[in-house]
Amino acid sequence: GAGVSQSPSNKVTEKGKDVELRCDPISGHTALYWYRQSLGQGLEFLIYFQGNSAPDKSGLPSDRFSAERTGGSVSTLTIQRTQQEDSAVYLCASSFSENTEAFFGQGTRLTVV
Amino acid sequence: GENVEQHPSTLSVQEGDSAVIKCTYSDSASNYFPWYKQELGKGPQLIIDIRSNVGEKKDQRIAVTLNKTAKHFSLHITETQPEDSAVYFCAASGGADGLTFGKGTHLIIQP
Repeated sequence: GAGVSQSPSNKVTEKGKDVELRCDPISGHTALYWYRQSLGQGLEFLIYFQGNSAPDKSGLPSDRFSAERTGGSVSTLTIQRTQQEDSAVYLCASSFSENTEAFFGQGTRLTVV
Repeated sequence: GENVEQHPSTLSVQEGDSAVIKCTYSDSASNYFPWYKQELGKGPQLIIDIRSNVGEKKDQRIAVTLNKTAKHFSLHITETQPEDSAVYFCAASGGADGLTFGKGTHLIIQP
């Protein structure tokens, strides 16, 4: 595709349910990032994948959060047993390498009710 | 790991005046410093970037300066216009942590 694609664009879920957010990076990009952005706030780093290296999971806020990147391409962010404080926009970005422009998707707006 | 500090968190300037946003970083291995602009409801988009072998870079009304010794870099916007109103993020990359962002600056252009 032409850019980073995220799906769904909006997700409303009940508290306690699990959700999966998907990110399709730009083809050939080895670096992939997940960020969380609450209303009017900055970009909270969640996880970083670089090539075949072990991902940097240092930003995941709890063990309810996990992410994987299959075949070095598509990534899925999973949130188990969602809580209301998980409500935010989840942004994915990819770049050709760690020192080049990162392109962001439009984000997934998650609302936990 | 890398730590990026960004100031101010909110900046209000009169249309036509200049705006300056400042960032500091902690990892001397960082060598790539992009700036992103985020408009309401959209993902951040790159507006300008600089690498550590350059001290200044300009693109029309936007410029970025880098002081490697002091580990700080700044975004300068001249002749501000209403469409410059947005949230701006600085970032640093090149160490082991990938891209690390500052907390953002909400720039308001007053008519």
